[in-house]
Amino acid sequence: GAGVSQSPSNKVTEKGKDVELRCDPISGHTALYWYRQRLGQGLEFLIYFQGNSAPDKSGLPSDRFSAERTGESVSTLTIQRTQQEDSAVYLCASSPHPPPLHFGNGTRLTVT
Amino acid sequence: QKEVEQNSGPLSVPEGAIASLNCTYSDRVSQSFFWYRQYSGKSPELIMSIYSNGDKEDGRFTAQLNKASQYVSLLIRDSQPSDSATYLCAVKAGSNAGNKLVFGAGTILRVKS
Repeated sequence: GAGVSQSPSNKVTEKGKDVELRCDPISGHTALYWYRQRLGQGLEFLIYFQGNSAPDKSGLPSDRFSAERTGESVSTLTIQRTQQEDSAVYLCASSPHPPPLHFGNGTRLTVT
Repeated sequence: QKEVEQNSGPLSVPEGAIASLNCTYSDRVSQSFFWYRQYSGKSPELIMSIYSNGDKEDGRFTAQLNKASQYVSLLIRDSQPSDSATYLCAVKAGSNAGNKLVFGAGTILRVKS
């Protein structure tokens, strides 16, 4: 069956521009997670959704970051006015219940 | 204190040896524990999950959990060069914390042939 799909796989943007990252979870998975991984570092929790609501947004680094989920399916992570420190791989994961998580291949974001 | 701590390594072991990877966590009410493997440039993949004290074995992998010591480990028997990767420990807190899964920074394992 299809796994977690993320798009784009790579995104290069200029500092100050807005970007949208998309995640299509595995069908039927109620929980969806966003993590950030900087080069050579671990996974940094950003936000998770249970259905369409986000019980925990504690990891969003600043108000430039926002995320939404619709139809208990697709989620978008939006970064406004991107900065160079936003450069990282953004990983999405989903699960049918509480963890374990199934990860997508990530979006590699480069801010120039 | 970080919520989930791992030695960054690298941990180098010869082919055929046992690799022992360790993880400690700070939240005493944590209930669920996971080990993920991440190859360079790839996304994490689940290897093992463990929920109760003791050992859980799956093929060459054994996860060990000691909630009193807030310690979880992963043993890899008969290590192979293909096991060379970063191993991430992940912890889910108690039910009142929702379903947030916190990851350690990972331990780099190198298996030398």
